[in-house]
Amino acid sequence: DTAVSQTPKYLVTQMGNDKSIKCEQNLGHDTMYWYKQDSKKFLKIMFSYNNKELIINETVPNRFSPKSPDKAHLNLHINSLELGDSAVYFCASSSSGLAGGPDEQYFGPGTRLTVT
Amino acid sequence: AQSVAQPEDQVNVAEGNPLTVKCTYSVSGNPYLFWYVQYPNRGLQFLLKYITGDNLVKGSYGFEAEFNKSQTSFHLKKPSALVSDSALYFCAVRPRSGGYQKVTFGTGTKLQVIP
Repeated sequence: DTAVSQTPKYLVTQMGNDKSIKCEQNLGHDTMYWYKQDSKKFLKIMFSYNNKELIINETVPNRFSPKSPDKAHLNLHINSLELGDSAVYFCASSSSGLAGGPDEQYFGPGTRLTVT
Repeated sequence: AQSVAQPEDQVNVAEGNPLTVKCTYSVSGNPYLFWYVQYPNRGLQFLLKYITGDNLVKGSYGFEAEFNKSQTSFHLKKPSALVSDSALYFCAVRPRSGGYQKVTFGTGTKLQVIP
C-alpha cells in the first residue's frame, strides 16, 4: 500500500564510490522529483520528470544522473561520491495538474546517504 | 526568481493554545501556495494548498492558512495545538505562469507544542 517507496533507506559508503537510489510510486502520477535535504533540513529540488521526460534540472553536479524508465519509477545514480553529498534524498510524485492548478506532492520516506 | 521566507526557526506553544507559523513569499504574479509537515525521520506530508478563491484554506488535522495578497503572506494556523502537532513545517510556493514550474520550499519552522 506504500504510495511512494525508496530503496535503500540507509546508504553508507566511501568517497569515490558510485551508488544508486531507486524510487517507485503507485499513485498513477505523471510527475516525479528528487529533492536533497541537508543537515539543516533545507530542502532543495534537484530534478523533475514528467512522463519520463526531464523537465527540471537544477544546478546539480553532473555526477548526479537521474533516469526514469517509466512513469512510475525514477532512479538517481551518483558517481564519485563526495563528503558533501551526505544528506537525505527524497523522491516525490504528483499529477502535473496543468489545467486546474498543481497537485500536491507525495513524498517517499527518504534515503539517508552518508559518505565517509 | 521565487522565494519563500519562514522567519521563525522555531515556534513554541502550549498545548490547547492557538498556533501560528509564519510564511511570506516573493513570486511574479499570483502564486500557488502549499504547507507541508515533516515528522522525524519521515518524508513531507501535504497539509493544504491555496489555488484560488477563498483566502482562508482549510486542510488536514485541523490546520488552516490565510492567503493575504497585499502582505504576500500565507500563515499556517490552528485554533488549539496538540502535542502531536510537534513537527517541522514547510511553506512552499509555485508560480502560476504556464508550463512546468518548480516548487520552492521555505527553510522550515520547527513547532514545539508543550504539554
